[in-house]
Amino acid sequence: EVQLLESGGGLLQSGGSLRLSCAASGFDFNSYAMNWVRQAPGKGLKWVSAIRHSDGATFYADSVQGRFTITRDTSRSTVYLQMNSLRAEDTAVYYCTRIGQPGAFDLWGQGTMVTVSS
Amino acid sequence: EIVLTQSPGTLSLSPGERATLSCRASQSVHSNYLAWYQQKPGQAPRLLIHGASSRATGIPDRFRGSGSGTDFTLTISRLEPEDFAVYYCQQYGSSPRYSFGQGTKLEIK
Repeated sequence: EVQLLESGGGLLQSGGSLRLSCAASGFDFNSYAMNWVRQAPGKGLKWVSAIRHSDGATFYADSVQGRFTITRDTSRSTVYLQMNSLRAEDTAVYYCTRIGQPGAFDLWGQGTMVTVSS
Repeated sequence: EIVLTQSPGTLSLSPGERATLSCRASQSVHSNYLAWYQQKPGQAPRLLIHGASSRATGIPDRFRGSGSGTDFTLTISRLEPEDFAVYYCQQYGSSPRYSFGQGTKLEIK
């Protein structure tokens, strides 16, 4: 089955760190760029970060630049999001997504909740 | 950054009726790289339309995307009970600077 499975969410205090994982299965992980998108409670969708499959180039939204790091482990078909210096405004469900061709997000995980208390 | 504005914010219709959702971009979307997603409560979003008008795999033909440049529309021809959800548009022409609209809630009247 083609799927993405996130893990690693939780409750933590402002200033803390957390690493999210997204395990891919059922497709050729090496052929797709991957993304993280987040959704604050009751709010809309916001793009967070992307990693390109061809060269590993990484990209970040301004709101997380310098605090979050996206990486991928091709041997484990897994993408990670290391989140440091967390703030209350980072509280959200974090979704891992696959970037299809030519660029829409054609596969989504079920999401993992991150709650940052101030 | 391209800003997407969706209208209306909430649309109240009955099953069987036609729904028309709008998405306007602050500048032209490159190659009409505009997608629509559906999100039901407690679920992840699902891709409906990409490239402004191409249905994703498994999406029923009552969903139709149209438009170009800065003005895009999602039309649902005959609403089914399972279509009541929140719909988001997204541009990926300025990747990796992706942006989403704020969403339109389609509710049962």
